[in-house]
Amino acid sequence: RKEVEQDPGPFNVPEGATVAFNCTYSNSASQSFFWYRQDCRKEPKLLMSVYSSGNEDGRFTAQLNRASQYISLLIRDSKLSDSATYLCVVIKTGANNLFFGTGTRLTVIP
Amino acid sequence: SAVISQKPSRDICQRGTSLTIQCQVDSQVTMMFWYRQQPGQSLTLIATANQGSEATYESGFVIDKFPISRPNLTFSTLTVSNMSPEDSSIYLCSVEGGEYYEQYFGPGTRLTVT
Repeated sequence: RKEVEQDPGPFNVPEGATVAFNCTYSNSASQSFFWYRQDCRKEPKLLMSVYSSGNEDGRFTAQLNRASQYISLLIRDSKLSDSATYLCVVIKTGANNLFFGTGTRLTVIP
Repeated sequence: SAVISQKPSRDICQRGTSLTIQCQVDSQVTMMFWYRQQPGQSLTLIATANQGSEATYESGFVIDKFPISRPNLTFSTLTVSNMSPEDSSIYLCSVEGGEYYEQYFGPGTRLTVT
């Protein structure tokens, strides 16, 4: 079983829409959770860390459900510039390396 | 976050040759990481490079194929040895940089092996 699983999409949404991505992880001892954004032919860039209590950064909201081993990312009022691949990333307790999901591709359509 | 540069940004190499990729960070960091992203795939960790000790390789990656140097706290190299077309990939270095152990990535090296 993969460490991190995501729906690869693609998600094609109109500007202004709200879109949600989900991710599950297999190791209950995982300690840190992130969403990264990767634009085409670019390196991944940290979008936001995911805290146990959930957190919001502008139009972006991240949630963590440890009981279900589930992470989500909600994007409100989608912009054309939000088009990218969104990577769910997990660090296991005692490890330093990141485990990446395969990514969810989002295209925001005018 | 740290500023990370990689050289070369891209290369086209013949099978059987080797390529050394450099990663430079603008501040001292304890741990540096090397990842591979094959076409259409997500990132996979190759190894963790600590200054002053041997790199730690992940399952499926060996030192003879991917030797790593870490001569100081701001620099590391990854060599892809005896290349085959299956080594065509993007190679990225990263450093750990935050309270929650998040990592920041260099721009990557796009390698094509013919």
